[in-house]
Amino acid sequence: DAKTTQPNSMESNEEEPVHLPCNHSTISGTDYIHWYRQLPSQGPEYVIHGLTSNVNNRMASLAIAEDRKSSTLILHRATLRDAAVYYCILSFTQGGSEKLVFGKGTKLTVNP
Amino acid sequence: GAGVSQSPRYKVAKRGQDVALRCDPISGHVSLFWYQQALGQGPEFLTYFQNEAQLDKSGLPSDRFFAERPEGSVSTLKIQRTQQEDSAVYLCASSLRVNAEKLFFGSGTQLSVL
Repeated sequence: DAKTTQPNSMESNEEEPVHLPCNHSTISGTDYIHWYRQLPSQGPEYVIHGLTSNVNNRMASLAIAEDRKSSTLILHRATLRDAAVYYCILSFTQGGSEKLVFGKGTKLTVNP
Repeated sequence: GAGVSQSPRYKVAKRGQDVALRCDPISGHVSLFWYQQALGQGPEFLTYFQNEAQLDKSGLPSDRFFAERPEGSVSTLKIQRTQQEDSAVYLCASSLRVNAEKLFFGSGTQLSVL
């Protein structure tokens, strides 16, 4: 399984940008990079995903390094509701099924 | 419904009891996944369905775990002779197409085995 490495925790202040890093040095050419977040007592929530190019949506931006061995999730203005565990995941196909293999993620604390 | 629904929300079982956990995916979603999440850990893959076909059950921890999706919609995860190490949150997720491009997760069933 291709693995990702994330810091265990990060802190940010409300209304400031947040850059959440992820290393995935063993990524293969067809692996997509996915980000999910999980609020307490809830299931994970899709944030964004990409393959090679940077991606933007209403929730966040995903910046992918040119060699694809790392990526950064960018929250442009953190709010208290963004406090969650953020998972960086590589999807891979094995035995006919595409899987998301979660790690421990980064716990983001947002200070008021 | 608007999202993935799981029931019950909480389940307490005595060791050795059988339990059944239900997942109602978003209508029309082809793919359905089950994950197990221990306290403080990320979700771990259990099994995958494409419509009614169980294409991958490589993550099921033992033969006490069984999942089905007989009509390609609702799915049930059954755990026989529960043990304390089965205590976890069981998450169900569905996606519209035949891949894991964008998963919608339910809130999970928290199973406590005493």
